[in-house]
Amino acid sequence: ETGVTQTPRHLVMGMTNKKSLKCEQHLGHNAMYWYKQSAKKPLELMFVYNFKEQTENNSVPSRFSPECPNSSHLFLHLHTLQPEDSALYLCASSLKGNQPQHFGDGTRLSIL
Amino acid sequence: GESVGLHLPTLSVQEGDNSIINCAYSNSASDYFIWYKQESGKGPQFIIDIRSNMDKRQGQRVTVLLNKTVKHLSLQIAATQPGDSAVYFCAELYSGGSNYKLTFGKGTLLTVNP
Repeated sequence: ETGVTQTPRHLVMGMTNKKSLKCEQHLGHNAMYWYKQSAKKPLELMFVYNFKEQTENNSVPSRFSPECPNSSHLFLHLHTLQPEDSALYLCASSLKGNQPQHFGDGTRLSIL
Repeated sequence: GESVGLHLPTLSVQEGDNSIINCAYSNSASDYFIWYKQESGKGPQFIIDIRSNMDKRQGQRVTVLLNKTVKHLSLQIAATQPGDSAVYFCAELYSGGSNYKLTFGKGTLLTVNP
């Protein structure tokens, strides 16, 4: 139990579908992150939120749309994805930006 | 050992032996470093961290060594157990900027043989 919960754990969708990934943390952290993990590549930072405000968008295509309604919840809205977007999407949180990040177990996304 | 940009290196050890996993980081200005462990089907799990004003830090069965001169980080695991089998990532961060971005290495796969 990491304190960071991601749902769903697995998701299969077509390229024309719209779906959302959810992340929730009960650690009292103020920063939340989305990462993409592909095979044989380092973890790629996608978005950073500090106190609900987006502070980093790491050149992520617009078909990925994050939402942070409060410091405990983070969403990643997906639409018109491509097969190369198939990966493990990890959410993390930290008390502050220069503190250790705690990760959820990810959503395994497969695009057909 | 591990270096960003190469294929995933592997380390195979016998149960009970000590393991040393290496990492070469890229930014000489990085001042905070973290080791993570990722088991199959799970997210990365924090193991130990070290700031640049230290060159060694110990935890339970783990020790991290930092050599800033050659930008090298290592993780030592004492008396390695089968449950230690996982991919281990180092991550570096420069805390002097306005945005704190952790940069991860590609990872080292540790296999512990019983």
